[in-house]
Amino acid sequence: GENVEQHPSTLSVQEGDSAVIKCTYSDSASNYFPWYKQELGKGPQLIIDIRSNVGEKKDQRIAVTLNKTAKHFSLHITETQPEDSAVYFCAASSVPSSNTGKLIFGQGTTLQVKP
Amino acid sequence: KAGVTQTPRYLIKTRGQQVTLSCSPISGHRSVSWYQQTPGQGLQFLFEYFSETQRNKGNFPGRFSGRQFSNSRSEMNVSTLELGDSALYLCASSLRGQGTYEQYFGPGTRLTVT
Repeated sequence: GENVEQHPSTLSVQEGDSAVIKCTYSDSASNYFPWYKQELGKGPQLIIDIRSNVGEKKDQRIAVTLNKTAKHFSLHITETQPEDSAVYFCAASSVPSSNTGKLIFGQGTTLQVKP
Repeated sequence: KAGVTQTPRYLIKTRGQQVTLSCSPISGHRSVSWYQQTPGQGLQFLFEYFSETQRNKGNFPGRFSGRQFSNSRSEMNVSTLELGDSALYLCASSLRGQGTYEQYFGPGTRLTVT
């Protein structure tokens, strides 16, 4: 069935270092891959996403890469700051042309950025 | 533009009772999806509504139901509550249409079943 594996489950880095979170999906029909950041007591916040026709996307300090052949996608955060500390979720969806589709989430990565 | 709003934010119920949660999507968004978040199972899709019709459903028992109104607001209902239904219930809104993929989440309703 549909499944998204996310690693690592916890990640601790020093402020200024880079952080990388990796996900693997099982459904080859998946074509949309968002990343969410969830802070304590809040709902998940969409931070970046990528579609299957693109290999990489950047937005300031964050970037996402996609390898469709290997069914892998990754989140890269550079120059980490203490406010980046949160739980990060990857997700995958197969989106027909006029349907948002359900999101299948990874188990989450707790990122701690030490000052 | 206001974000997704969910009411109530916190709820305590007793086993066997039923509960109704409400979600108002971002203005102009016509699709609402519901997710359950627990420490053990993570984020799981419950169902999606668009134009007052359920378009997609996850693997949850029939005790979980929902509906959407003509103004796109949505409610979900859980009947005969069980201890295992304790969770954060999140709704996400989306424009839903060609080329639109993004889903935006509300703050959630924290349900505790005792």
